[in-house]
Amino acid sequence: QKEVEQNSGPLSVPEGAIASLNCTYSDRVSQSFFWYRQYSGKSPELIMSIYSNGDKEDGRFTAQLNKASQYVSLLIRDSQPSDSATYLCASMNSGGYQKVTFGTGTKLQVIP
Amino acid sequence: GAVVSQHPSWVICKSGTSVKIECRSLDFQATTMFWYRQFPKQSLMLMATSNEGSKATYEQGVEKDKFLINHASLTLSTLTVTSAHPEDSSFYICSAMGLAGLSNEQYFGPGTRLTVT
Repeated sequence: QKEVEQNSGPLSVPEGAIASLNCTYSDRVSQSFFWYRQYSGKSPELIMSIYSNGDKEDGRFTAQLNKASQYVSLLIRDSQPSDSATYLCASMNSGGYQKVTFGTGTKLQVIP
Repeated sequence: GAVVSQHPSWVICKSGTSVKIECRSLDFQATTMFWYRQFPKQSLMLMATSNEGSKATYEQGVEKDKFLINHASLTLSTLTVTSAHPEDSSFYICSAMGLAGLSNEQYFGPGTRLTVT
């Protein structure tokens, strides 16, 4: 059973639209959540981290966390072609042995 | 922001030889470093977790005698692929996490592309 699940996509949105990326996790002890962007052939780049229920905004990006529903999302406003990449959702447990679990990623395509 | 470097960025080696990959946190101290492997069009696969001054913790199915990890200081971890074979050809990525209590965000190095011929 996958611990962090994402729709593999591709998710296609027109330039200027809002892209909504979703992620669910199964481990209730997960406390920290992260969104990474990975361009083809490159390593992942941290976009957002979120630890508390609610929304966290950073520029065009908004992360949303709902621990009761075990759901994390990332909204990208005013999507640009340069946002086209694979977005990885990750969760971290709260125990002494910190382990980050990654989803398989959602491929986003922003159409000019 | 936190910067993690990897060296080399790409390497080609002959089957049976060993290759060492270095991972450095340049502007922060990392108590924990992670090593991942990623095959084309596949997701990241965690190989091992490395804590400074202690033995690495390997994920199930990863041979610790083949993938030697050393985390000698708070800014350097190395991965040595011993007796490499063509099936070891992959994109190896390290990441580093800051000191506990300061940040649990993981920052990735640029990756090392290994090709074994």
